[in-house]
Amino acid sequence: DVKVTQSSRYLVKRTGEKVFLECVQDMDHENMFWYRQDPGLGLRLIYFSYDVKMKEKGDIPEGYSVSREKKERFSLILESASTNQTSMYLCASWTNYGYTFGSGTRLTVV
Amino acid sequence: SQQGEEDPQALSIQEGENATMNCSYKTSINNLQWYRQNSGRGLVHLILIRSNEREKHSGRLRVTLDTSKKSSSLLITASRAADTASYFCATDTGGSEKLVFGKGTKLTVNP
Repeated sequence: DVKVTQSSRYLVKRTGEKVFLECVQDMDHENMFWYRQDPGLGLRLIYFSYDVKMKEKGDIPEGYSVSREKKERFSLILESASTNQTSMYLCASWTNYGYTFGSGTRLTVV
Repeated sequence: SQQGEEDPQALSIQEGENATMNCSYKTSINNLQWYRQNSGRGLVHLILIRSNEREKHSGRLRVTLDTSKKSSSLLITASRAADTASYFCATDTGGSEKLVFGKGTKLTVNP
């Protein structure tokens, strides 16, 4: 089974901090995705990547950047965290039949 | 950009009953997928149905797709308390494996 691992389940960060959310998959997949999930808004795509060093903006990229230096690792970066980035962040990797998601990181910015 | 819209937003049933959730979408799709999310966790892929398929089964799950009406339904038969979760439909509109998710149906199965 494909495994997608997000490094933290819960994070609390201060406003203005630079935050790194890490995601690792173990099946050599090319396509990886970052979503955020908020009550009443569902899942919204932040960024995705088709391959190493390649990235594409999703629907809500403002305030975020990503890094894909190795195929198995896709990092989401909050350059200067703000309270409106408090959310559940979900990483996913594409398989032939759909996404495999990580367990999610619940980020609180105070 | 919201593509799928699930209906109802919330559903509460008794164990053993069937649960039906519906999804409507706006544009042409390559495939439609259903996912389950237990509270506070990541989503788990349940089933994928391609645009040229009309019905698909997996265990107690039955998914239908009507591309003329741009709608899909997920039926869970003989529900169990462990089926309590949120269920999301997601559409792949072509080529990129980039999915657009609905806002989900929250299913509660009472023992």
